[in-house]
Amino acid sequence: QSVLTQPPSVSGAPGQRVTISCTGSSSNIGAGFDVNWYQQLPGTAPKILIYDNNSRPSGVPDRFSGSKSGTSASLAITGLQTEDEADYYCQSYDSSLSGSVFGGGTKLTVL
Amino acid sequence: EVQLVQSGAEVKEPGESLKISCKGSGYSFSNYWIGWVRQMPGKGLEWMGIIYPGDSDTRYSPSFQGLVTISADKSISSAYLQWSSLKASDTAMYYCARRRSSSRSSEWFDAWGQGTLVTVSS
Repeated sequence: QSVLTQPPSVSGAPGQRVTISCTGSSSNIGAGFDVNWYQQLPGTAPKILIYDNNSRPSGVPDRFSGSKSGTSASLAITGLQTEDEADYYCQSYDSSLSGSVFGGGTKLTVL
Repeated sequence: EVQLVQSGAEVKEPGESLKISCKGSGYSFSNYWIGWVRQMPGKGLEWMGIIYPGDSDTRYSPSFQGLVTISADKSISSAYLQWSSLKASDTAMYYCARRRSSSRSSEWFDAWGQGTLVTVSS
């Protein structure tokens, strides 16, 4: 059971918009800690997609965006492309565990 | 270019010891925390712990405290993850990653090693 809760899977057709939710608690997201998102393509290491809730590292397309409200955060992907098919993880800091925590991951299927 | 290069895949028997490594380049290794992340087969990411190579300050996830040891040698820009007695349940991919932060409420991992696959089987 992960500290941050994500849906196991989401899907969408090419060109569509999908969102992935990440629900935490008062010791992590709700405590004001920032949320980050990673993309893990099959057989590769995770890659930072969004940091500090809504900032994109250079090279990440603006089709990817993040938001945070209360004890939850969301990753939105617009203009879905087949190469977006991957696992997506949220991550934040948890004050009761004194360390980072990850969501369980969401598998995105592009139909 | 920031790079983290991990040691190669390992196959061990239960009860054996193991130390895997993560070598940083392209930045000042001593000045950034390095974290370790476990990914069991077909499962998600789990944060294990983190070390600051500059002074070897180390923090562990409660789930991994006492089960692994994290260390670093700043003179050769390397961080390590070790086990004294492996179990079959330690079979997983292990990643090292560089920690970044923009404020007291911020922590993310911007560069990742390629992963080290550890297989423990008799």
